[in-house]
Amino acid sequence: GQQVQQSPASLVLQEGENAELQCNFSSTATRLQWFYQHPGGRLVSLFYNPSGTKHTGRLTSTTVTNERRGSLHISSSQTTDSGTYFCAIDLPGTGSNRLTFGKGTKFSLIP
Amino acid sequence: EAAVTQSPRNKVAVTGGKVTLSCNQTNNHNNMYWYRQDTGHGLRLIHYSYGAGSTEKGDIPDGYKASRPSQENFSLILELATPSQTSVYFCASAGGEQYFGPGTRLTVL
Repeated sequence: GQQVQQSPASLVLQEGENAELQCNFSSTATRLQWFYQHPGGRLVSLFYNPSGTKHTGRLTSTTVTNERRGSLHISSSQTTDSGTYFCAIDLPGTGSNRLTFGKGTKFSLIP
Repeated sequence: EAAVTQSPRNKVAVTGGKVTLSCNQTNNHNNMYWYRQDTGHGLRLIHYSYGAGSTEKGDIPDGYKASRPSQENFSLILELATPSQTSVYFCASAGGEQYFGPGTRLTVL
């Protein structure tokens, strides 16, 4: 089965609303990283968050390792937040720093 | 932020031809990676490296070779390109957190 599951697969909100993206993984992970990708662009690292909660601007990442889940919260979303968000974790036994990616959440904003 | 560059940015190749994709990083990271990104599959790891002279197989290595001649450079080689290898290829480097290059769009006709 899929080792990293992201939900929802797509999300459409109105500008100004808050968004919650979920990441669930099948095995114990020691690292979780969130990436943002603008259509056709490179992946930009948002958070490197092995556990706990981290904030930057309107973004909050929470990782609960022993429950095998993480989340990304976007507050007061703006049209510039549109794009695809990926969650990636390292799986045990796969080697140092090697990440396995979820399939992403495609996020769209209605002005 | 870590600087990772890729060349070429776009490439059109013919079936059966040899293709080399290059990646350079200037942050002295030991680990480097090659991924491909396809609709419906997300990012999949092709090859990775722990340092100069090392290459390791990722999840989908068939049809690809890799070369790490130095700390800074990591190449992905398609000896006999096939249309199924049409994709967007990303290189990344890591000293912990992973940083990605801008991607190479490869079309094999």
